Amino acid sequence: GQQVMQIPQYQHVQEGEDFTTYCNSSTTLSNIQWYKQRPGGHPVFLIQLVKSGEVKKQKRLTFQFGEAKKNSSLHITATQTTDVGTYFCAVTGGGNKLTFGTGTQLKVEL
Amino acid sequence: DAGITQSPRHKVTETGTPVTLRCHQTENHRYMYWYRQDPGHGLRLIHYSYGVKDTDKGEVSDGYSVSRSKTEDFLLTLESATSSQTSVYFCAISPTLGTVYYEQYFGPGTRLTVT
Repeated sequence: GQQVMQIPQYQHVQEGEDFTTYCNSSTTLSNIQWYKQRPGGHPVFLIQLVKSGEVKKQKRLTFQFGEAKKNSSLHITATQTTDVGTYFCAVTGGGNKLTFGTGTQLKVEL
Repeated sequence: DAGITQSPRHKVTETGTPVTLRCHQTENHRYMYWYRQDPGHGLRLIHYSYGVKDTDKGEVSDGYSVSRSKTEDFLLTLESATSSQTSVYFCAISPTLGTVYYEQYFGPGTRLTVT
């Protein structure tokens, strides 16, 4: 199945700083989805990217899909304590099966 | 949140005992999934179902079986629990597969401890 590498594994930031997590694949991806999981919670769908070079924004979150469809990034501008959690990328395979990256755990300090 | 419930939410069991986890949905979605989540591994697919009585294996299916006799229920069974199956188990659902890729909606999870 498709594999995705996600970096970094952990990120500590001061409130107000920016944050970026990256997903990389050695193969061309059909799409990529991003999920957020709060501590003690369940993954929640954020967004899906399908087109080469696609950029989508949700308030302070910016999602990009690479031109070659082999990488993606999630950027948060001016982090807040509500952004704390683990962010996962996931790619779709046959049977609508998702393969998840290992996630980036974000901690925001006041 | 999508209408997904999991039961039990917490369970402690002994090695060698059978365990069944239940996932129930009220969304009438065709696809249902079972994942396990362990530190350092993210979410890994155990089994999934694409319809009543239609199931298939995922990445980490050894030691697990599933059944789906109704659209709304998807059961995960550990035939003989082992300590390596201590994990958090998530159920997820997704609408009908077509030419569009659909997001998945996750249940609240079941924390299973095998002693």
